[in-house]
Amino acid sequence: DGGITQSPKYLFRKEGQNVTLSCEQNLNHDAMYWYRQDPGQGLRLIYYSQIVNDFQKGDIAEGYSVSREKKESFPLTVTSAQKNPTAFYLCASSIEVTGMMAIQYFGAGTRLSVL
Amino acid sequence: QKEVEQNSGPLSVPEGAIASLNCTYSDRGSQSFFWYRQYSGKSPELIMFIYSNGDKEDGRFTAQLNKASQYVSLLIRDSQPSDSATYLCAVKEGGSYIPTFGRGTSLIVHP
Repeated sequence: DGGITQSPKYLFRKEGQNVTLSCEQNLNHDAMYWYRQDPGQGLRLIYYSQIVNDFQKGDIAEGYSVSREKKESFPLTVTSAQKNPTAFYLCASSIEVTGMMAIQYFGAGTRLSVL
Repeated sequence: QKEVEQNSGPLSVPEGAIASLNCTYSDRGSQSFFWYRQYSGKSPELIMFIYSNGDKEDGRFTAQLNKASQYVSLLIRDSQPSDSATYLCAVKEGGSYIPTFGRGTSLIVHP
């Protein structure tokens, strides 16, 4: 089945610890994204990547890092510099359609909590 | 600053009624418009996209776009309790990979 797989589903972080959220897609999509969603809030863009070995900061990149070594994979590291990491993290991917549209499809998400 | 506004709700409708969800946007250069459904604790699921003025229908769902007035709406006919969810509107400028999301409207369909 084609899709976007995020793991783990739930993750707990200790004080001062870095944690990495996995995102893998087999849709052959070029672009991948990471969003953060807090209760009652919309989606806020953390990082995005349009092509392998290239990525750009979104609106709230501080305290996060990413890599894009393979087309299929876009892992997100939540570093100890991110003081309020508790949130629902969503990975998405997209492929241009008709030259005008990048339709985003989402993974199931990772819920991160602080111990 | 691009903005996408949605009434947070909740919008409560009886089963079988038409639910009307609205979204306004600030960027006149916007060309692509998306509606996602998000059940509590789950990730967003794409329902529809539209990029031409007018209506686009898919089953019980109709998306309506009015670029002159800068709004897009989603109509759900014959609403079912299973339609109870938060509906996110997303708007994208042509040539951009990055949509701007609204905060969503909570819909409750009661039996």
